[in-house]
Amino acid sequence: LAKTTQPISMDSYEGQEVNITCSHNNIATNDYITWYQQFPSQGPRFIIQGYKTKVTNEVASLFIPADRKSSTLSLPRVSLSDTAVYYCLVGDNQGGKLIFGQGTELSVKP
Amino acid sequence: EPEVTQTPSHQVTQMGQEVILRCVPISNHLYFYWYRQILGQKVEFLVSFYNNEISEKSEIFDDQFSVERPDGSNFTLKIRSTKLEDSAMYFCASSVGGVNEQFFGPGTRLTVL
Repeated sequence: LAKTTQPISMDSYEGQEVNITCSHNNIATNDYITWYQQFPSQGPRFIIQGYKTKVTNEVASLFIPADRKSSTLSLPRVSLSDTAVYYCLVGDNQGGKLIFGQGTELSVKP
Repeated sequence: EPEVTQTPSHQVTQMGQEVILRCVPISNHLYFYWYRQILGQKVEFLVSFYNNEISEKSEIFDDQFSVERPDGSNFTLKIRSTKLEDSAMYFCASSVGGVNEQFFGPGTRLTVL
């Protein structure tokens, strides 16, 4: 499974756009990139998944360059309730096992 | 919106006791999982379950652990003889297929004294 590297923590203010970048230099051809969000004392929650280029949903956008060695989760106009840990996961999803890293702890301030 | 439920929300037990953590996955999902998260640490995969058998298990999931789908709705994790280091939040998850997003339950906080 490809190892991922992401910042341990980030700070932002309400209303700003937040971009969290994840490095995955050893990503395999069959691997997808998936982001989960976790609030304290809750289970992780799926945010977005992509394979290449750009994916957008009602919550976030995911940008993946052509070489797929990194990806950027973009959260538009964050609010206090977006304060959470964000995990970047890379894998072929066969069998469904999710391997979580330490994640990025995002703190949104007023 | 359908959701994964878990009971109890908090379980306190003595070292050496058996515990059973219960989960009700989303009804049309076919893949079921258990994860755990020790306080302040990352979420760790324990086991995946499909078609009434274990698909994959991690090194953590040793002989003290077992899973069962006793009926059409419940999915349980049993720890036969709990150790202090089993204290953690245990999350159940389910998915439609093996490649789809996983839906996590709210977790059971297990405290072993």
